[in-house]
Amino acid sequence: GIQVEQSPPDLILQEGANSTLRCNFSDSVNNLQWFHQNPWGQLINLFYIPSGTKQNGRLSATTVATERYSLLYISSSQTTDSGVYFCAAYTGGGSYIPTFGRGTSLIVHP
Amino acid sequence: EAQVTQNPRYLITVTGKKLTVTCSQNMNHEYMSWYRQDPGLGLRQIYYSMNVEVTDKGDVPEGYKVSRKEKRNFPLILESPSPNQTSLYFCASSLSSRMRGYTFGSGTRLTVV
Repeated sequence: GIQVEQSPPDLILQEGANSTLRCNFSDSVNNLQWFHQNPWGQLINLFYIPSGTKQNGRLSATTVATERYSLLYISSSQTTDSGVYFCAAYTGGGSYIPTFGRGTSLIVHP
Repeated sequence: EAQVTQNPRYLITVTGKKLTVTCSQNMNHEYMSWYRQDPGLGLRQIYYSMNVEVTDKGDVPEGYKVSRKEKRNFPLILESPSPNQTSLYFCASSLSSRMRGYTFGSGTRLTVV
């Protein structure tokens, strides 16, 4: 099946800093999604982004499907951005099981 | 409010005692699924359902059962729980299998002793 790798595994920032999280996938995907798991365990859908670029406030994401990677940008980070960020890839073609990466754990200090 | 509701949030049980974790969504989503999350292993899909009466195995289905008799409900059944099923469980739903609008429940932390 498809392999999904995220980097870096851990990231520590000072409030106000910018960061880039990366998600590499081993095969063509029908869609790619980013999620945030907050420190209380809740999983929030950030972006549905099979290709192209999307922005939502201080967060933006870009997927380059031909090169098999996606990037999540966090600008002017805040302590509420802390948590784990997951990407999940879905290949389609009769497979309805998304593959999640292991996540990037982000800590933002005040 | 659009949401996926899981119950219970926390559950401690003993080996072999059948249990059901309920999941309900109010968004008329066709696709529903169950995941378990374990440290170092990330999120792994247990079962999914494309629609009423249509269910299929995910990556780790052993020891679990599901049913989809109504569109809104997708319970997870552990007929004989074992300690290796101690985990954090999430239910999720989306408009379609393409994961657009994927919404997770709040999670159920299960401990089997």
